[in-house]
Amino acid sequence: DVVMTQSPLSLPVTLGQPASISCRSSQSLVSSDGNTYLNWFQQRPGQSPRRLIYKVSKRDSGVPDRFSGSGSGTDFTLKISRVEAEDVGVYYCMQGTHWPITFGQGTRLEIK
Amino acid sequence: EVQLVESGGGLVQPGGSLRLSCEASGFTFTTYSMNWVRQAPGKGLEWVSYISSGSSTIYYADSVKGRFTISRDNDKNSLYLQMNSLRDDDTAMYYCASWNYEGYWGQGTLVTVSS
Repeated sequence: DVVMTQSPLSLPVTLGQPASISCRSSQSLVSSDGNTYLNWFQQRPGQSPRRLIYKVSKRDSGVPDRFSGSGSGTDFTLKISRVEAEDVGVYYCMQGTHWPITFGQGTRLEIK
Repeated sequence: EVQLVESGGGLVQPGGSLRLSCEASGFTFTTYSMNWVRQAPGKGLEWVSYISSGSSTIYYADSVKGRFTISRDNDKNSLYLQMNSLRDDDTAMYYCASWNYEGYWGQGTLVTVSS
């Protein structure tokens, strides 16, 4: 199975400051069709997960442009340019290239 | 408005069975592959099972293979998860979700396995 390793697991951030979460996979996420199926999800307290980013860097509809995804191969990053209070929650990366689908452990973002 | 509404969770004894349902509305369900994802209390997300839009392709996590069965009824816009031989470590919130086009998640249904 592909192991997804996120860091840090806890991320205290001051309002208005940037934040960055790393996600590394144990093998390349480039699919045979040329796509890289790496998603980022946000789970706010008490809510269901919500997808923010798909195929590494494509932002979902309604997601603020302060969220961005980047990376390639085995190394991926989610960046928040300026953290707002509503960004508190747990962030997960997920690979959909190889079966079984696997998630990272989650990164808990909190306001400092 | 897109909605995925799960139901069927509850308290069950170890070794028992439950059937979860997920009713979809607001999008063309018949063209979307679907997944079940679970989250144990205070833990992270774990993918459980996948079914393609026409039910021709199905996958399971090793942790549920042979015990859980995923299915769908496109005429009823519904997804199902038949769970047999339930164990304590199956206790979790179970979500139906899709991410091959837009990302859709339900609100979850809680399954508690306990004697």
